[in-house]
Amino acid sequence: SAVISQKPSRDICQRGTSLTIQCQVDSQVTMMFWYRQQPGQSLTLIATANQGSEATYESGFVIDKFPISRPNLTFSTLTVSNMSPEDSSIYLCSVVGLGVDEQYFGPGTRLTVT
Amino acid sequence: QKEVEQNSGPLSVPEGAIASLNCTYSDRGSQSFFWYRQYSGKSPELIMSIYSNGDKEDGRFTAQLNKASQYVSLLIRDSQPSDSATYLCASRSGGYQKVTFGTGTKLQVIP
Repeated sequence: SAVISQKPSRDICQRGTSLTIQCQVDSQVTMMFWYRQQPGQSLTLIATANQGSEATYESGFVIDKFPISRPNLTFSTLTVSNMSPEDSSIYLCSVVGLGVDEQYFGPGTRLTVT
Repeated sequence: QKEVEQNSGPLSVPEGAIASLNCTYSDRGSQSFFWYRQYSGKSPELIMSIYSNGDKEDGRFTAQLNKASQYVSLLIRDSQPSDSATYLCASRSGGYQKVTFGTGTKLQVIP
């Protein structure tokens, strides 16, 4: 399976600021996704990161709040903009590798907004 | 809307017993099915995938799929306290489609 790394692993941010989370994979992947998981809750898909084009956002998530980039087949970023305490969550990058069907998750970024 | 349903639990089993985790899905077009294990504070880890009706075994884990009943299960034999985690069931309807996750079942293995 692909090795997925995320930076930062955790951060504490002030409300009104923005944080960019990076996801790096050690091999080319077909699909990359960004999820959010709030404490004690299940996974919520934010968007599908599309290589070279705009991300596809799920209902309730908008590009102005969660801009996403995917410049190539191994890297993506998620920015959480104008943060509020409600954005405190774990943000997870997830990928589907070339020629495989399984989806794997990165270690996550724990964000706390004060 | 595609849905994957799981009992949230907690499911408590004694150490050494068989834990049975169940899941149903609504999309008859689903082709791929996955079980993930998630320890508290960690990201989900893929433990099993299954694509055909019947059983698939991997060590102490057995995944079972019944497409006619739209039912997927995971059996954990000889349960250990280290198996205590939340287990997520997921399905996908085809290539380049997003995976639909259930809300997870919390398993507690009692020593």
